[in-house]
Amino acid sequence: ETGVTQSPTHLIKTRGQQVTLRCSSQSGHNTVSWYQQALGQGPQFIFQYYREEENGRGNFPPRFSGLQFPNYSSELNVNALELDDSALYLCASSPPGSMNTEAFFGQGTRLTVV
Amino acid sequence: GENVEQHPSTLSVQEGDSAVIKCTYSDSASNYFPWYKQELGKRPQLIIDIRSNVGEKKDQRIAVTLNKTAKHFSLHITETQPEDSAVYFCAASITGGSYIPTFGRGTSLIVHP
Repeated sequence: ETGVTQSPTHLIKTRGQQVTLRCSSQSGHNTVSWYQQALGQGPQFIFQYYREEENGRGNFPPRFSGLQFPNYSSELNVNALELDDSALYLCASSPPGSMNTEAFFGQGTRLTVV
Repeated sequence: GENVEQHPSTLSVQEGDSAVIKCTYSDSASNYFPWYKQELGKRPQLIIDIRSNVGEKKDQRIAVTLNKTAKHFSLHITETQPEDSAVYFCAASITGGSYIPTFGRGTSLIVHP
């Protein structure tokens, strides 16, 4: 087990609603990244948090937002859900270090928007 | 930004055969290339990686090659086994700052017993 845990594992929401997904990073990891993985696609980078600050953002609209807490856990919030937001949302945590290249993924949250 | 193309999208082989998955990238500044394996319903897991100062890296039945000039890299699996069946993703990134890999679309490898 990598130690990265996500909740919930599955979620069904209605179009227009808001959702919050949660991620607990592996012990000692201070960087958390969020990815969206649509069916049959590779993970797409949403954003990254380092020491509670956003540290890079992919091509996602502002209705995708996040937080990182002092214990390095993180939340992904999506407002005004659209059908195309249906996907597996993966969280990955990384240890400190400028040459760090390791990312440990959680098992993901499967979001279905109906 | 970086763009990673991955081929083929599906690869079907017989147990014991070799499998090769190829990726190309667009950003010449990328210098780190990991490969992830994702089994059905599970999380992606790093299986091997290569940095731009190395042309080839091997780990038992898995090897990765990198051609910086052509901006492509490949995953080679020899003596495939049914448990190698999974989706494989290549990725490219730049080290020295935030680790934000750009992933390919994935290759579904099916190894028939």
